[in-house]
Amino acid sequence: QVQLVQSGAEVKKPGASVKVSCKASGSTVTTYYIHWVRQAPGQGLKWMGMINPSSISTTYAQNFQGRVTMTRDTSTSTVYMALTSLRSDDTAVYYCARSRSDYEGDAVDIWGQGTMVTVSS
Amino acid sequence: QSALTQPRSVSGSPGQSVTISCTGTSSDVGGYNYVSWYQQHPGKAPKLMIYDVGKRPSGVPDRFSGSKSGNTASLIISGLQAEDEADYYCCSYAGSYTVVFGGGTKLTVL
Repeated sequence: QVQLVQSGAEVKKPGASVKVSCKASGSTVTTYYIHWVRQAPGQGLKWMGMINPSSISTTYAQNFQGRVTMTRDTSTSTVYMALTSLRSDDTAVYYCARSRSDYEGDAVDIWGQGTMVTVSS
Repeated sequence: QSALTQPRSVSGSPGQSVTISCTGTSSDVGGYNYVSWYQQHPGKAPKLMIYDVGKRPSGVPDRFSGSKSGNTASLIISGLQAEDEADYYCCSYAGSYTVVFGGGTKLTVL
């Protein structure tokens, strides 16, 4: 049974950076794509980007380019999402999710539990 | 990468059917058969309900079905049950290793 377990809640000040981890259990993190999706309070899902853990290639949504970096550590089956220059509107729950297959267009079927990031002065 | 367009809310009585639409463009919904639908209950992570336009993952009731015509995809829920009350999001591959979500639809079971 594959599970994605994310790191705990974070509170950051504006201008700071945050790094959220997503550890795969029951599967190697190099299998299939890992996507990051965020959800601001009371708002919808917003795709941030994806990483192909086997090739370490990444694609980021336009809105986050320049501020987001996705990386992976195969030795610990963990993927990371770092977001810099945090603003109050970055306050959200951040989810990692695994694709169903090794095709980049495939849906995601396994989600982490989410990590709440609060940006406040 | 504009969000796909969904109605903000839909409603139906138990046993009825509801349809949630998801409108995109020829660059996303219309260009690929990689439309998926997610159900999200309050405080929970989303759950995959439909993938590849109309396929159901194991364990998803056959009351849930999906279709697509042109740039618009649809999620159909028949035989509504109280536990179907949730937010629903469509999602489409948009080429060049990018993905786009819809704005979400709140389903109320009356």
